Amino acid sequence: ETGVTQSPTHLIKTRGQQVTLRCSSQSGHNTVSWYQQALGQGPQFIFQYYREEENGRGNFPPRFSGLQFPNYSSELNVNALELDDSALYLCASSEPTGTETQYFGPGTRLLVL
Amino acid sequence: AQSVTQLDSQVPVFEEAPVELRCNYSSSVSVYLFWYVQYPNQGLQLLLKYLSGSTLVKGINGFEAEFNKSQTSFHLRKPSVHISDTAEYFCASYENNQGGKLIFGQGTELSVKP
Repeated sequence: ETGVTQSPTHLIKTRGQQVTLRCSSQSGHNTVSWYQQALGQGPQFIFQYYREEENGRGNFPPRFSGLQFPNYSSELNVNALELDDSALYLCASSEPTGTETQYFGPGTRLLVL
Repeated sequence: AQSVTQLDSQVPVFEEAPVELRCNYSSSVSVYLFWYVQYPNQGLQLLLKYLSGSTLVKGINGFEAEFNKSQTSFHLRKPSVHISDTAEYFCASYENNQGGKLIFGQGTELSVKP
């Protein structure tokens, strides 16, 4: 059974640029959630996708957007990057019967210069 | 409002000693509770979860946690730690009808010394 995978593992961007991060959910999982983890902090919920629709959203501005595809993989897009966007971005997937239990991928480390 | 507080930011212990990592939660409704572990430069791994039923929950790697509704706590314990348990530990809560979000504490850094 393949777990949650994310790409790329690391990324360096400059302020004002745009970035796309990708996530493949665990086999059999149809719900994907994205989190931002700043250095030394706990993860913060960005949003969740279920059946290709945004199911819930945390306190992040609209320049953070996402997509979910028919195969349940997902993308996180961030426009107009700011220095404070530097963080580890974590994707998590859940089973259809239990979206409360979320299984995380290894993350993408984004550095904004 | 839903919140999670981890009472210790750092916990140093010697190998083979017992350890307890403390977590308090705040919620006005029923919650589900989780402990995750994060090794350096890695994602989060689920250690254990409380959804309902027995208040003593056993997880992987010899960890267990006890749900205490009256104390609003969910402390993580291990009777004998190993060097390999050195990592960051996160407590998290989940409420239904809140858009699917897990609320995390700030984390506890467990450092096991020989």
